[in-house]
Amino acid sequence: DIVMTQTPLSLSVTPGQPASISCKSSQSLLHSDGKTYLCWYLQKPGQPPQVLISEVSNRFSGVPDRFSGSGSGTDFTLEISRVEAEDVGVYYCIQSMQLPYTFGQGTKLEIK
Amino acid sequence: QVQLVESGGGVVQPGRSLRLSCAASAFTFSNYAMHWVRQAPGKGLEWVAVISYDGSKDFYIDSVKGRFTVSRDNSRNTLYLQMNSLRAEDTAVYFCAREKPIQYYFDNWGQGTLVTVSS
Repeated sequence: DIVMTQTPLSLSVTPGQPASISCKSSQSLLHSDGKTYLCWYLQKPGQPPQVLISEVSNRFSGVPDRFSGSGSGTDFTLEISRVEAEDVGVYYCIQSMQLPYTFGQGTKLEIK
Repeated sequence: QVQLVESGGGVVQPGRSLRLSCAASAFTFSNYAMHWVRQAPGKGLEWVAVISYDGSKDFYIDSVKGRFTVSRDNSRNTLYLQMNSLRAEDTAVYFCAREKPIQYYFDNWGQGTLVTVSS
């Protein structure tokens, strides 16, 4: 199984400041079809997860452009250019390159 | 608006069985692969199982293989998870999620149903 490792596990950010979360996979997520199946989700308190970004860098419909994803191979990053209060929650990366799909441990974002 | 509504959770003793359901609406259910994802209390997300759009293929994490069975009834727009020989470590909120075709991410989730395995 592919192991996904997120860092940091928690983050406390002042509103308006940037934030960055790293996600590393134990093997390359580049599929034979040429796509890289790494996604980011945000789970707000008391809610199911919601997709933010698919295939490394494709923002889901309605996701603010302050969220961006980058990376390749085994190293990926989610960046928030200017954190807002509504961004609090737990961020997860997940690989869907092969079954079983595997999540990172989650990164809890809090507002200072 | 796409809707996924889980039901069937509850408190069950170790070794017993439970069947979860996920009722889908406002989309063509038979066109989508469907997944179950769980979250133990205070813990992270864990992918559990997937079933293909037509029910012909399924796949599970090792810890539930041989105990859990995912199925679907496309005529009823409903996804199921039959959980047998339940263990304390199966205690979690179980979410059903729809997979975006070809792009392999979950574009819609239910609110989840809580399964508690305890004597």
